[in-house]
This record gives sequence, C-alpha cells and structure tokens, in this order.
Amino acid sequence: QITLKESGPTLVKPTQTLTLTCTFSGFSLSTYGVRVGWIRQPPGKALEWLAIISWDDDDTHYSPSLRTRLTITKDTSKNQVVLTMTNMDPEDTATYYCARRVVAAIDWFDPWGQGTLVTVSS
Amino acid sequence: EIVLTQSPATLSLSPGERATLSCRASQSVSTYLGWYQQKPGQAPRVVIYDAVNRATGIPARFSGSGSGTDFTLTISSLEPEDFAVYYCQQRSNWPLTFGGGTKVEIK
Repeated sequence: QITLKESGPTLVKPTQTLTLTCTFSGFSLSTYGVRVGWIRQPPGKALEWLAIISWDDDDTHYSPSLRTRLTITKDTSKNQVVLTMTNMDPEDTATYYCARRVVAAIDWFDPWGQGTLVTVSS
Repeated sequence: EIVLTQSPATLSLSPGERATLSCRASQSVSTYLGWYQQKPGQAPRVVIYDAVNRATGIPARFSGSGSGTDFTLTISSLEPEDFAVYYCQQRSNWPLTFGGGTKVEIK
C-alpha cells in the first residue's frame, strides 16, 4: 500500500521559514521514474503546484513564481521529502499536499497525502 | 507557462443527469492532460489521465476526450458521490499547472 503523509507546523509567523516533511511508504524515491511533488491549496481556492524532486538527483523543478523561496530535498534512507519555503506571508496560508508521480507509468499525482493546513499569522 | 481555463465554474445538475466539463489550454499540451476529483475535506484523486484513460477504480460513467488545447470530462449519469470539484492539470511543459476548477453541485 502506498501512502504519503505531510507534517510540519500548523502556524507560522510572517517572514519565518516553513519546513514541511512528506513521509511516504510503499515505494522508494531511489527507484527509476519515481517523483514526489508538493502542491498547495489556499482555503476555497484552486490547486497550485510548487515543486517536484525525482529519483534522479539532478531532476528537480520549481514553480517559477516561487522559485526563489523554495527548496525541495530528499532523504532516500528515511523515505522523506522536505520542502522549505522562506519569507512566509499570510497569502501562503494553505493546505499543503505531497503526492507521488511515476514516469512511464500513470505519470500523474497519485496518490496524494491527506494534506496539512498551514496558517501564516502574527 | 501554460494556462488552463475550466468552464463552467459551477455546474448545477441533478443525479442521473449528464455532466460536461471543459478545460482549455493556452497552448497545445498534446494529450498530457489529467482530471482530478476533490471532495470536501479530502485530497484530490486522479480520475482521468493522458486525456482519455480512466484511473484505477474509476467507474465507466467517467470519460475524457480531447487533445491539443480543448478537453472534456464527461460524467454520463451523475451519482450522488460524483458531486465534487474537478480540476484539470497539464504535464506537457514545466511548470505544471492546474485549472481553476469546476464545482459540480446538486441542483
């Protein structure tokens, strides 16, 4: 069974750095074709893709609009992917999801974690 | 960046009716278009991938069509569990982008 679960702070202050961890099971990020991405959703709004990291250490992509604030890393031994977002703003309040993609299979976000709501407020 | 425009924003229908959702891309995405269903309080799940393929466990009443810039998700006969928000997403080009969503609500 493939599962992903997001963890991190539920409340951060403006200008702080957010660190979120995606812990997964049922697959390995060292397997060819596997990717894990982050997507967020402000309350009542649409989905927004943030970043993705791949089995290939050189294959990492970011949303251009957030590129300067995001870093995505992986710890293959712990089955974790970490997303850091600097200089948090109230507009970054959202539910943050991680999800798996597998190149050359059903190369879409499937499955997703349950999501974690992050509120940015002083 | 490829912009995906979904229409309508809201679709009010009764169970048993046919739902037709549209997703238009600002440039061709070939068939690299997927549809996700999201119910309140839940994470999205993929229902259609590569424009026309049903994901595992998705009932046959869901179908996808289109290529290039114009895509359609059709639910042939709405069941109560189908009322949800549906998002399209493209994976043709980086950055990955999602549409704004179509809410299918009970009339």
